[in-house]
Amino acid sequence: DGGITQSPKYLFRKEGQNVTLSCEQNLNHDAMYWYRQDPGQGLRLIYYSQIVNDFQKGDIAEGYSVSREKKESFPLTVTSAQKNPTAFYLCASSSRGRSQPQHFGDGTRLSIL
Amino acid sequence: QKEVEQNSGPLSVPEGAIASLNCTYSDRGSQSFFWYRQYSGKSPELIMSIYSNGDKEDGRFTAQLNKASQYVSLLIRDSQPSDSATYLCASGMERGFQKLVFGTGTRLLVSP
Repeated sequence: DGGITQSPKYLFRKEGQNVTLSCEQNLNHDAMYWYRQDPGQGLRLIYYSQIVNDFQKGDIAEGYSVSREKKESFPLTVTSAQKNPTAFYLCASSSRGRSQPQHFGDGTRLSIL
Repeated sequence: QKEVEQNSGPLSVPEGAIASLNCTYSDRGSQSFFWYRQYSGKSPELIMSIYSNGDKEDGRFTAQLNKASQYVSLLIRDSQPSDSATYLCASGMERGFQKLVFGTGTRLLVSP
């Protein structure tokens, strides 16, 4: 079954701690994305990657970091510099080509302890 | 600033009625448009895409696009309580990959 797997589903961060959210896809998609969603708000783009070993900052990259060492994987690290990390984090992917939609994983809900 | 605007709602309709969800976008270069459904606490799910002016139908859903007016809509016929969710509109440029701009969503409530 093809899809996007995010883990963990719930994550708690202690003060000063970095945490990493996993995103794996077996759809053979070239592009991957990370979004943050706060209650009652839309999706805000954190980082995106079109190909392996390349990624670009989105609209709210401060306090986050990513890597893209494999086509299938695009982990997101929420660093201690992100002072308000509590949110719903969504990973998405899309294939290369005209007007391809993005498909989402089930999300990770991050809270501060 | 490229924007996609949606009324936050809630839009309340009785079961069996037609629900009409609307979206406007600011970037005239936008070429592709998507509607996602998001249940509370869940991730967005793609339900419709539209690229050309006019209507596109898929089951109970019809997407409508008017590029001249920069307006996209989603009609849900025979609305069911299970359609109660937040509907996100997104626009994208026609390039090798899609960097989408999302609206904040319209909450739809379908009462039995």
